[in-house]
Amino acid sequence: KNEVEQSPQNLTAQEGEFITINCSYSVGISALHWLQQHPGGGIVSLFMLSSGKKKHGRLIATINIQEKHSSLHITASHPRDSAVYICAATTQGGSEKLVFGKGTKLTVNP
Amino acid sequence: EAQVTQNPRYLITVTGKKLTVTCSQNMNHEYMSWYRQDPGLGLRQIYYSMNVEVTDKGDVPEGYKVSRKEKRNFPLILESPSPNQTSLYFCASSPQRLAGGGTDTQYFGPGTRLTVL
Repeated sequence: KNEVEQSPQNLTAQEGEFITINCSYSVGISALHWLQQHPGGGIVSLFMLSSGKKKHGRLIATINIQEKHSSLHITASHPRDSAVYICAATTQGGSEKLVFGKGTKLTVNP
Repeated sequence: EAQVTQNPRYLITVTGKKLTVTCSQNMNHEYMSWYRQDPGLGLRQIYYSMNVEVTDKGDVPEGYKVSRKEKRNFPLILESPSPNQTSLYFCASSPQRLAGGGTDTQYFGPGTRLTVL
């Protein structure tokens, strides 16, 4: 079993829909990251969070430390949101090791 | 312009021929890291560095070496490449540790596609 699991693996939505991508982890973490990989391959960091909730534009990331679960929400989705969204965890213990989920491929149709 | 650069962007080489992929950042970041991305396996961390002369292993360090002699550069060295190192490689940097509390995240380079025949 992977230390970081994402669901769903693939997601297709219609423009305007509210999107939720889930991430569960089984290790102790000091931070949880959400990344976006564009169809061209470039990677952008969206959020790093260790508690609560963060918001940037139409993107919202939440984390529940007790349940070892994080969600990435996209409000009013748009075709330009089509990308692979990747969850990653900085493991505890003083190191800066990063463990990744396998990604969620999101397609937003017009 | 703030950026992370990698060179080369594409490389085809043969088994056993030593190669170096360079990574450079112009943001005075302390943290730098190398990742590889493979279909079905996703991203995996190879090595990271928290500062000059401080490096540590990630999940898949075998077959790779790194050095951090200057803050801006973090080259990835494959002393004797093998076909299982064919992959897409990303370098990234961050102004701070990745262990929570901060607001800034990682900046990724454009990637280097390596093929080892």
